[in-house]
Amino acid sequence: GAVVSQHPSRVICKSGTSVKIECRSLDFQATTMFWYRQFPKQSLMLMATSNEGSKATYEQGVEKDKFLINHASLTLSTLTVTSAHPEDSSFYICSAGLGTGELFFGEGSRLTVL
Amino acid sequence: GNSVTQMEGPVTLSEEAFLTINCTYTATGYPSLFWYVQYPGEGLQLLLKATKADDKGSNKGFEATYRKETTSFHLEKGSVQVSDSAVYFCARLLDSGNTPLVFGKGTRLSVIA
Repeated sequence: GAVVSQHPSRVICKSGTSVKIECRSLDFQATTMFWYRQFPKQSLMLMATSNEGSKATYEQGVEKDKFLINHASLTLSTLTVTSAHPEDSSFYICSAGLGTGELFFGEGSRLTVL
Repeated sequence: GNSVTQMEGPVTLSEEAFLTINCTYTATGYPSLFWYVQYPGEGLQLLLKATKADDKGSNKGFEATYRKETTSFHLEKGSVQVSDSAVYFCARLLDSGNTPLVFGKGTRLSVIA
């Protein structure tokens, strides 16, 4: 199947700093990527839809100025958590599909804000 | 609405026991349905899927049948192994094509030897 890769897999930062997470589709082009957030022992919550060459679409309750999404190419979407705080600590997962309905997921990025 | 409801865990079984994890969905049409598995410390992996009513998805001994009458997609396995210990997520496509998935809350399965 198609491969989606995230980087970094783990990141620890100080409160108030910004962190960038990359999501790459390695062997296919993705005009659309999805960013999810997973809290401990909970399900994945869709944060936003990343659209290549245009603005991301955010789900209700997700602060777009807090979670900046850039989809500058057909193989790369980035999520930047700005001015991170401890409550932003979470597992962030991206996914992309081939348009057939099946989605492929990155390995996830665990963010810990001290 | 567009939701997925699955049985809450955790579920603890002995090796070789029969597994059922219930999943129901709400939809106005017939969305594609999926089961994803998340092993400890790893990302999500597609386990199986069904794209239309009465389809049966199967993989690694797991099966699930798309039942439109009961809007269900229950996951079953006849004989679980310790290596099946993971969190299982039922999901449906929000819409057709390249749209996001809506996930259930996940069910943690622990299989003991």
